[in-house]
Amino acid sequence: DTGVSQDPRHKITKRGQNVTFRCDPISEHNRLYWYRQTLGQGPEFLTYFQNEAQLEKSRLLSDRFSAERPKGSFSTLEIQRTEQGDSAMYLCASSLAGTGGSGYTFGSGTRLTVV
Amino acid sequence: AQKITQTQPGMFVQEKEAVTLDCTYDTSDPSYGLFWYKQPSSGEMIFLIYQGSYDQQNATEGRYSLNFQKARKSANLVISASQLGDSAMYFCAMSPRAGANSKLTFGKGITLSVRP
Repeated sequence: DTGVSQDPRHKITKRGQNVTFRCDPISEHNRLYWYRQTLGQGPEFLTYFQNEAQLEKSRLLSDRFSAERPKGSFSTLEIQRTEQGDSAMYLCASSLAGTGGSGYTFGSGTRLTVV
Repeated sequence: AQKITQTQPGMFVQEKEAVTLDCTYDTSDPSYGLFWYKQPSSGEMIFLIYQGSYDQQNATEGRYSLNFQKARKSANLVISASQLGDSAMYFCAMSPRAGANSKLTFGKGITLSVRP
């Protein structure tokens, strides 16, 4: 297993454009999480899935953000009408519910720059 | 709500020496998990160590150990025999349930620089 994969690694977009990020979790993991990290801060929780069900969404996840995990495997995070404040690192993580903490694994992130 | 506090400014340590990174937390959950992650300049979050709130012994993973003091609500990370590759940001985090089951709340992080 190659761990959690995120694509793309970097994305530069113009304000007002839509962007979509993809996350491929560790194959046997049933939980998938999205976080946002701005410069100099720790990651902040956005949303998470168990299989294909979205179980929790943060207040940070405005109406312009939508996340899906249609078949309980990979997930996408879409940001519509991007704003400069959306510039951040978007991190995906996965875990297998009921296991120990060492199984909570992050991807390398997608760094978004809105110009 | 859960809260993680990391207030140390940038930390410096001499290669081969030990260093302690501080973390205090606040929660009303009866069961919780505490995590430490390393984030090098490349950006990935690397798992270091985990401690469940009901674990009787402090967690250890190679050169990393977690000094868990439940009554003081602290979960300090101790890195022994520092290496140049340990230079990175270090984040303390907690979950509202023990194990790998839920969202994490992170602190602001501590920058560690290892001097040769």
